[in-house]
Amino acid sequence: DADVTQTPRNRITKTGKRIMLECSQTKGHDRMYWYRQDPGLGLRLIYYSFDVKDINKGEISDGYSVSRQAQAKFSLSLESAIPNQTALYFCATARYNEQFFGPGTRLTVL
Amino acid sequence: KNEVEQSPQNLTAQEGEFITINCSYSVGISALHWLQQHPGGGIVSLFMLSSGKKKHGRLIATINIQEKHSSLHITASHPRDSAVYICAVTPRGNSNYQLIWGAGTKLIIKP
Repeated sequence: DADVTQTPRNRITKTGKRIMLECSQTKGHDRMYWYRQDPGLGLRLIYYSFDVKDINKGEISDGYSVSRQAQAKFSLSLESAIPNQTALYFCATARYNEQFFGPGTRLTVL
Repeated sequence: KNEVEQSPQNLTAQEGEFITINCSYSVGISALHWLQQHPGGGIVSLFMLSSGKKKHGRLIATINIQEKHSSLHITASHPRDSAVYICAVTPRGNSNYQLIWGAGTKLIIKP
């Protein structure tokens, strides 16, 4: 079984819709991250969390919110999706300096 | 200018060739990472290094801290090595362990 899972793997939605992307991990790591990846650009950090009560904005948090429901679960929400949020989204966990990635969610906003 | 620059952006080679992908960075670091992203999208960590050289199978990663430069080498390349290779650094003194990411190098190995 995968250590870091993401649901859904693919999602097509319309402008203005609320979307939630979910991430679960069985690695027991406290640190979790949400990134987005756009063609030709490096991964960009949206939000990160060091534990259930510690949520921090990354470099591109506008238009996104997160919830850390438990050590193992970290959800990313798009309150009102817009087309330029079309991207590949990755969740990751971390232990010390090493990060472990989920398989990604491909989101298309029409 | 990005703090982590990779070159080349794209690389196409024939099976069996020796491959080199470069990464230059402009900040002090505590670690440098090489990761691989296959066409299916998943990202896996290949190496984490702070000095010298590491080897795993046909992959070799080197780093020169003074020159702020790292290279990833693939010996006897194979079509299954086709992927995007990503360099990232952990800035020194960054207690958040946030990474600064390069844009990636897309490698295609032709049979």
